[in-house]
Amino acid sequence: GAVVSQHPSWVICKSGTSVKIECRSLDFQATTMFWYRQFPKQSLMLMATSNEGSKATYEQGVEKDKFLINHASLTLSTLTVTSAHPEDSSFYICSARGLNTEAFFGQGTRLTVV
Amino acid sequence: AQSVTQLDSQVPVFEEAPVELRCNYSSSVSVYLFWYVQYPNQGLQLLLKYLSGSTLVESINGFEAEFNKSQTSFHLRKPSVHISDTAEYFCAVSAFSNTGKLIFGQGTTLQVKP
Repeated sequence: GAVVSQHPSWVICKSGTSVKIECRSLDFQATTMFWYRQFPKQSLMLMATSNEGSKATYEQGVEKDKFLINHASLTLSTLTVTSAHPEDSSFYICSARGLNTEAFFGQGTRLTVV
Repeated sequence: AQSVTQLDSQVPVFEEAPVELRCNYSSSVSVYLFWYVQYPNQGLQLLLKYLSGSTLVESINGFEAEFNKSQTSFHLRKPSVHISDTAEYFCAVSAFSNTGKLIFGQGTTLQVKP
C-alpha cells in the first residue's frame, strides 16, 4: 500500500506555544488529506478535511483558528496547534487519499502540552 | 450521515480460541466498510475492507469479516487468536461519495490471554 509519513511522532511543548505536525504522502499525490484526533482509550474523531490548494473544511465543534491546516502541495499537509494548552494533549493522526484511492494513515503524533 | 457502533468495548479471550468483534453501521447512502487495528501509541493499520463483490473478505493474518447488508453489520472474526493479536480494533465506514472520510466506531479492545 501507499506510504504516509507523519512527523514528529511525539512532541512535548509548553502551554501557550504553537506546534506544527506534518503529514506527507511519500509515493502518491494526495488530493485530499484528513486530520483526526484521538483521546486516550477513545475512538478517532475527524477534525477536518483538506484539499490541495483549498481551505480546509472543519467538522462541527473544531476551532479553525486553533487548529490551522495547510495543504499547499499534493504531498504535504500541516496541522498547527496554536497557543496549545494541556487540554489539546492528544494523539493526532492524518490520512491521505489520491484520486480514486482509499485513504492511508500516518503513524500518528502524540502531543503533550505541559 | 453515517454512524458505527461496536457492540463490545472489551473482548477477553484465551489464546487459540475463536473470536468475533461486532460492528453495526447505519447510513442513508451506500458505504465502504473497513476494519483497522491499532497497537499502543501507533497509527492505524488496515486489516481488511469491503468495497464490492464477495461479501466475505479476508486478511493475510487469518481475520475475516462478512458484510451483511440486511443486518447492516460487518463483524470481524478469527478462528484462532494469538497473543500478538492483542490490540485495539476499529470498524469504520465511508460513503461512496466521499471515500477517505472515515467514520469510526468506538473501538474494541481485544485481550488475548495465555
